[in-house]
Amino acid sequence: DGGITQSPKYLFRKEGQNVTLSCEQNLNHDAMYWYRQDPGQGLRLIYYSQIVNDFQKGDIAEGYSVSREKKESFPLTVTSAQKNPTAFYLCASSGTGGETQYFGPGTRLLVL
Amino acid sequence: KQEVTQIPAALSVPEGENLVLNCSFTDSAIYNLQWFRQDPGKGLTSLLLIQSSQREQTSGRLNASLDKSSGRSTLYIAASQPGDSATYLCAVTRNNNDMRFGAGTRLTVKP
Repeated sequence: DGGITQSPKYLFRKEGQNVTLSCEQNLNHDAMYWYRQDPGQGLRLIYYSQIVNDFQKGDIAEGYSVSREKKESFPLTVTSAQKNPTAFYLCASSGTGGETQYFGPGTRLLVL
Repeated sequence: KQEVTQIPAALSVPEGENLVLNCSFTDSAIYNLQWFRQDPGKGLTSLLLIQSSQREQTSGRLNASLDKSSGRSTLYIAASQPGDSATYLCAVTRNNNDMRFGAGTRLTVKP
């Protein structure tokens, strides 16, 4: 059963806390992405990785960090430096060469 | 910088109507254009992918066109159904897998 999964579905963060969102894919895709979606706005790219052990900042990387130690996994950490973290976070993966991206079900992050 | 705009932001139609959603982009140097569907609180589902060399793609009641020179794409939905109610997102991709999204059109089809 191939696909891309994200966990948890909902995540609550206390002020000053770092939290990590999980993204796993078994599609054998080289590239993986993290997007943030706010109400009434399109998706904005946070980080992307085109190969293991390499990743690049997107448009809104400040306050976030990632790692890509395995091809299947691309976790996103929302650090305490991100002052407005409440949003819907989407992970995606794709092959190389501008192929379509496949999206996970998303994680909604809320601040307590 | 690539800007993607979708008009209208929201649309409400009675069941059975044919409708058109619009997408425009500022930089015509694209690799492909894609239309996605998003249900509330869910991820994105790809509907149609048009490569830069293509003019249109069709899937069932959906037809998407691409005019790269004018920076426009349309998504045509024939004989709309209540199950079509969702947000429709347009996205353009450059050669380096850099994908830019519009803010979406929220469609409501009333029974």
